[in-house]
Amino acid sequence: NAGVTQTPKFQVLKTGQSMTLQCAQDMNHNSMYWYRQDPGMGLRLIYYSASEGTTDKGEVPNGYNVSRLNKREFSLRLESAAPSQTSVYFCASSPIHNTDSYEQYFGPGTRLTVT
Amino acid sequence: GNSVTQMEGPVTLSEEAFLTINCTYTATGYPSLFWYVQYPGEGLQLLLKATKADDKGSNKGFEATYRKETTSFHLEKGSVQVSDSAVYFCALHYGNNRLAFGKGNQVVVIP
Repeated sequence: NAGVTQTPKFQVLKTGQSMTLQCAQDMNHNSMYWYRQDPGMGLRLIYYSASEGTTDKGEVPNGYNVSRLNKREFSLRLESAAPSQTSVYFCASSPIHNTDSYEQYFGPGTRLTVT
Repeated sequence: GNSVTQMEGPVTLSEEAFLTINCTYTATGYPSLFWYVQYPGEGLQLLLKATKADDKGSNKGFEATYRKETTSFHLEKGSVQVSDSAVYFCALHYGNNRLAFGKGNQVVVIP
């Protein structure tokens, strides 16, 4: 199993450009998440998908959109990139809800710079 | 709301020293609690977890005990190694299968 994979690993954008970050998991997990990580801020949830066909906003959704393409894939789109979106982006997935498996499994991250 | 607070600042210590990283939480009810570790250039990995009060999670020599009286889940290791240098995040589970993370602590172990 590859676990959670993300593409690309690195990206540089100019202000106003758009791009889509891709995420896929092969663990048959129901829930998927997008976070951003900034120095001194920890991880902040951008959007999540509790199950296939649903998406919900997290703490910092402004400037982003998501698509849960199928059970495996969850993409994050920046329509018009801004320097404030310079960050490291992590995708994560989590198994179906039960009393013990709330843990999340993380991808390796995408380092995005917006100039 | 649901939140996690970790002690401020990086932690620098010598090899074989004792490590403690403090974590306290605010939550409704008794959520599952986690410690994640992030090695340089990588994503987060689950280090250990505890799902109910008085549970002790342990892995790779690290331990943390779920204390509902003090709403804490402090991480400890008796003898750190250089390979333990990483960023450590405390987290709790809350509604709709989400995790709330603390801000993380950079741990640097000097040989």
